[in-house]
Amino acid sequence: GAVVSQHPSWVICKSGTSVKIECRSLDFQATTMFWYRQFPKQSLMLMATSNEGSKATYEQGVEKDKFLINHASLTLSTLTVTSAHPEDSSFYICSARESENIQYFGAGTRLSVL
Amino acid sequence: GQSLEQPSEVTAVEGAIVQINCTYQTSGFYGLSWYQQHDGGAPTFLSYNALDGLEETGRFSSFLSRSDSYGYLLLQELQMKDSASYFCAVRGRNTGFQKLVFGTGTRLLVSP
Repeated sequence: GAVVSQHPSWVICKSGTSVKIECRSLDFQATTMFWYRQFPKQSLMLMATSNEGSKATYEQGVEKDKFLINHASLTLSTLTVTSAHPEDSSFYICSARESENIQYFGAGTRLSVL
Repeated sequence: GQSLEQPSEVTAVEGAIVQINCTYQTSGFYGLSWYQQHDGGAPTFLSYNALDGLEETGRFSSFLSRSDSYGYLLLQELQMKDSASYFCAVRGRNTGFQKLVFGTGTRLLVSP
């Protein structure tokens, strides 16, 4: 199946710093990518929809200035967690839509903010 | 909005058959998907139903009844490696066709 690469897989940072997470679709072009957040033993919560060449659409309750999304090309979307705090510690997963029915997911990024 | 409900946990033994149910509420239903996720890993696509009926893919089958807003994932000949969380997910018109919204997830524990 198609591959979505997410990097880094794990990051530890100090409170107040910013962290960038990259999501790449390796063998298909994705005009739409998605960013999810998942807490332990919970479901995936959609944070935002990233559209190539336009502004991301954020879900209710997600701060767009806190979670900056850029989708500059058909194969790359980035999520930047700005001024990270311990409550931002979570598992962040990106996804790229290959077709109408199928989304492929990255391996996720585990963020720990000290 | 959209909501999906699944049992929180199901247990079974190797070789058995297990059914994971999903009920959903959404406007403008497009389809029901199933994903598997092992602890610490990424969700992987299992199946998709847009129309009523049963879709079979190897040991896994998925069923959909649009009139009942209900679907299930059927896992046969269970193996230890099937221990994971299983999520149903829907697309609905009210939130835009693009977005996939996930259910609460069902943790499947397969014992020897």
